[in-house]
Amino acid sequence: KAGVTQTPRYLIKTRGQQVTLSCSPISGHRSVSWYQQTPGQGLQFLFEYFSETQRNKGNFPGRFSGRQFSNSRSEMNVSTLELGDSALYLCASGPAHTDTQYFGPGTRLTVL
Amino acid sequence: AQSVTQPDIHITVSEGASLELRCNYSYGATPYLFWYVQSPGQGLQLLLKYFSGDTLVQGIKGFEAEFKRSQSSFNLRKPSVHWSDAAEYFCAVGAKGGGSQGNLIFGKGTKLSVKP
Repeated sequence: KAGVTQTPRYLIKTRGQQVTLSCSPISGHRSVSWYQQTPGQGLQFLFEYFSETQRNKGNFPGRFSGRQFSNSRSEMNVSTLELGDSALYLCASGPAHTDTQYFGPGTRLTVL
Repeated sequence: AQSVTQPDIHITVSEGASLELRCNYSYGATPYLFWYVQSPGQGLQLLLKYFSGDTLVQGIKGFEAEFKRSQSSFNLRKPSVHWSDAAEYFCAVGAKGGGSQGNLIFGKGTKLSVKP
C-alpha cells in the first residue's frame, strides 16, 4: 500500500496570508490526524478527523482549521499566518478502531 | 496531566555498541505506548508499539522496548547499533480505547549520533 502523502512538501508564505495543506491517508484508513512540529515546542497535536467529523482537537487558536472529505483525504488551513507558524506539519492516518498512526513526510511551512 | 519525558536530549554511541533510550510517561489510565524514529527532513516511522500483553515488544530494525508499569517507563533498546540508526527517536503515549486515537502525546525526542 502507498503511504500517507502530503502536499506540498515545502511552502513559503508571508505574514498575514493563509495556507492550505493537503493529506491523503493510506487506503482504507478513516482517521486522519494533524501535528505541528517545531524545535521549541516539539510535536503537538492539532486535530483529528474520522469519517468527516472532527473527533478531537488540540490547544491551538481558531486560525487553525481542518476538514475531511468523504474519501478520507484531509486538508488543514491556517489563516492570518504568523512567524511562529513556521513548522513541519505532519499528517497521520490510522485504521478505524486502532490506536496506531502512520505518518506522512510532512509539509515544511516557512512564514516570512 | 498526561506527559512523556525523554530525559536524554542527545546520545552518542559507537557503532556496534548497545543502545538504550529512556522514556517515562505520566498517564491516568492504561496507556498505549509507541516509539517512532525520524530521520532529518522526514516524517515519523513507527518502530514498535505496546497495547497489552507481553511487556517486551519487538519492533522493526532490530529494536525492542520493555513496558514497566511500576516505573512508568517504556525504554527502547537495540543490542548493536548501526550507523544508519542515527536519527531522532520519539516516545509517545496514546489514549486507550480507540475513541480518540488521534491524540498522541510525544516526548521531546532523543537525538542519536553514531560514531564509526
